[in-house]
Amino acid sequence: AQSVTQPDIHITVSEGASLELRCNYSYGATPYLFWYVQSPGQGLQLLLKYFSGDTLVQGIKGFEAEFKRSQSSFNLRKPSVHWSDAAEYFCAVGNQAGTALIFGKGTTLSVSS
Amino acid sequence: KAGVTQTPRYLIKTRGQQVTLSCSPISGHRSVSWYQQTPGQGLQFLFEYFSETQRNKGNFPGRFSGRQFSNSRSEMNVSTLELGDSALYLCASSPSNADTEAFFGQGTRLTVV
Repeated sequence: AQSVTQPDIHITVSEGASLELRCNYSYGATPYLFWYVQSPGQGLQLLLKYFSGDTLVQGIKGFEAEFKRSQSSFNLRKPSVHWSDAAEYFCAVGNQAGTALIFGKGTTLSVSS
Repeated sequence: KAGVTQTPRYLIKTRGQQVTLSCSPISGHRSVSWYQQTPGQGLQFLFEYFSETQRNKGNFPGRFSGRQFSNSRSEMNVSTLELGDSALYLCASSPSNADTEAFFGQGTRLTVV
């Protein structure tokens, strides 16, 4: 079965500290992987995507993610978190066109001062 | 370039009624996907339309249907509304070329009473 697991429902990080959000996937075909962020009452904004090539991908707002095929993981990282990063983060797997996405349940990030 | 536009933003309907939601994709995008977001189930894929044809379908009952017009605008319809249909419905458009991603609208918040 195709699925995405985000083990952490809620994470609190101090401002300026580093962040890692975990994502594991199960997908029958070549996985195309995405991280989206959602602020309250808003739609989803793409942070970064992985299709092929370099397994470390850079995204917007200083985020990066590393694809590890052997671990079926695509973890999101940021070296220094800002208060404005507080939001809900979704990992997703889909096809080559980025449609028919299967999402994880999301991780809510809180940032403490 | 205008983003994905969903109308209306908010809706309140009564159980048993039907509802139609509208989505205007980014100009030039030929694929439109619909997702349901609820606190319990998270983000779930409903269906995708490409060139007026349903290309992919999620695991939802037949009460949920959609269509796409020749200008790529899409509508989704939910008949015989149930309380559990209360959700944020998100539309996403994609150029549907290789190595692209989906762009999301801000959603329609449907409340069934």
